[in-house]
Amino acid sequence: AQSVTQLGSHVSVSEGALVLLRCNYSSSVPPYLFWYVQYPNQGLQLLLKYTSAATLVKGINGFEAEFKKSETSFHLTKPSAHMSDAAEYFCAVSYSGNTPLVFGKGTRLSVIA
Amino acid sequence: GAGVSQSPSNKVTEKGKDVELRCDPISGHTALYWYRQRLGQGLEFLIYFQGNSAPDKSGLPSDRFSAERTGESVSTLTIQRTQQEDSAVYLCASSLTATGGVYEQYFGPGTRLTVT
Repeated sequence: AQSVTQLGSHVSVSEGALVLLRCNYSSSVPPYLFWYVQYPNQGLQLLLKYTSAATLVKGINGFEAEFKKSETSFHLTKPSAHMSDAAEYFCAVSYSGNTPLVFGKGTRLSVIA
Repeated sequence: GAGVSQSPSNKVTEKGKDVELRCDPISGHTALYWYRQRLGQGLEFLIYFQGNSAPDKSGLPSDRFSAERTGESVSTLTIQRTQQEDSAVYLCASSLTATGGVYEQYFGPGTRLTVT
């Protein structure tokens, strides 16, 4: 069965520090990978997606992620955290067309002033 | 343009009552998904519509849950005889239909269901 593992249910960083949120997927075939962000009491917003083009994907709000097939990873990074980045982040995978997304359990990012 | 909308935004119901949750997808989006998000958990897939047919209902947790969709428009998720474990945020998403590759799913703000 497809699965997504997000290491760390809660990550805390200082404002201006590097953000690294980890995501690993289980698959024997290249998947489509997504990172979504959820602000309090809001729906999910797409940050970025990997669809087998460039392995380094740039998204909104300065976030980027690198697809590493050998490590089955798709970690999310941002060079410098802002207070406004505090939210829940979800990694998700899809394997074809319109199949439902399989989500990780999420990582809550706190940014400390 | 308008995004995915859901109603009600909040619903409090007594155990044993039936509830209906509504989703209005983005116009032109043929695919529609329902997910459930329990407190502190990731999203669980419930059901997927392509047009008004549901090729994948594998995530519906019990026969108390059902959903329908009118054409390529509104969808309703119905939970009969609600239980406390049904308390969650129910999220709806829609997307275009992919003939190759994959399209982004756009999410609504969700309906927070509380069963007392």
